[in-house]
Amino acid sequence: AQSVAQPEDQVNVAEGNPLTVKCTYSVSGNPYLFWYVQYPNRGLQFLLKYITGDNLVKGSYGFEAEFNKSQTSFHLKKPSALVSDSALYFCAVRDKAGTYKYIFGTGTRLKVLA
Amino acid sequence: EAQVTQNPRYLITVTGKKLTVTCSQNMNHEYMSWYRQDPGLGLRQIYYSMNVEVTDKGDVPEGYKVSRKEKRNFPLILESPSPNQTSLYFCASSWAAGQGKDEQFFGPGTRLTVL
Repeated sequence: AQSVAQPEDQVNVAEGNPLTVKCTYSVSGNPYLFWYVQYPNRGLQFLLKYITGDNLVKGSYGFEAEFNKSQTSFHLKKPSALVSDSALYFCAVRDKAGTYKYIFGTGTRLKVLA
Repeated sequence: EAQVTQNPRYLITVTGKKLTVTCSQNMNHEYMSWYRQDPGLGLRQIYYSMNVEVTDKGDVPEGYKVSRKEKRNFPLILESPSPNQTSLYFCASSWAAGQGKDEQFFGPGTRLTVL
């Protein structure tokens, strides 16, 4: 069965510092992996995805994520955090070879402190 | 403007009173899906649809029904709502899953309270 784990409920980082939001996954085959962001009182917005190819994926707003097959991880990163990055971040997975069902993580709240 | 719309945005109802939450998209997307968001549980998929007249269960389908009679619309039906269905609901759409363009576009959400 597919699963996604976001081990941190909240991550605090100072503005200007690098940030990492962690995600690990489990699928039976090769994964499609996604990151979405939810700003307060808004719907979710797509940030980036890994389908195949380069393990480092670049996305919106300066975010990037590194796919690590051996560690089954897809951590979200940004070299320099902004206060406006404060939001709720969700990792999601879909099994490429399986159904078109998505599994989302429980979310990580990112707080960037000025 | 490309968007996913949901109605109503807020709804307070009572146990057992049938309700429908509508979802519409104007991007000609094949794939549509419903999720519920609950604190500590993240997003959980309720139902999804690959195309017109094709629907399938997500992880938490109990107590919900859906239909996909037109490509643009994907209503969520609660035949007999119960308090444990109090939640924030999101509709989403994307190009056909599996074609490499399957990032989902989400609606603004519907906050449902069942008393």
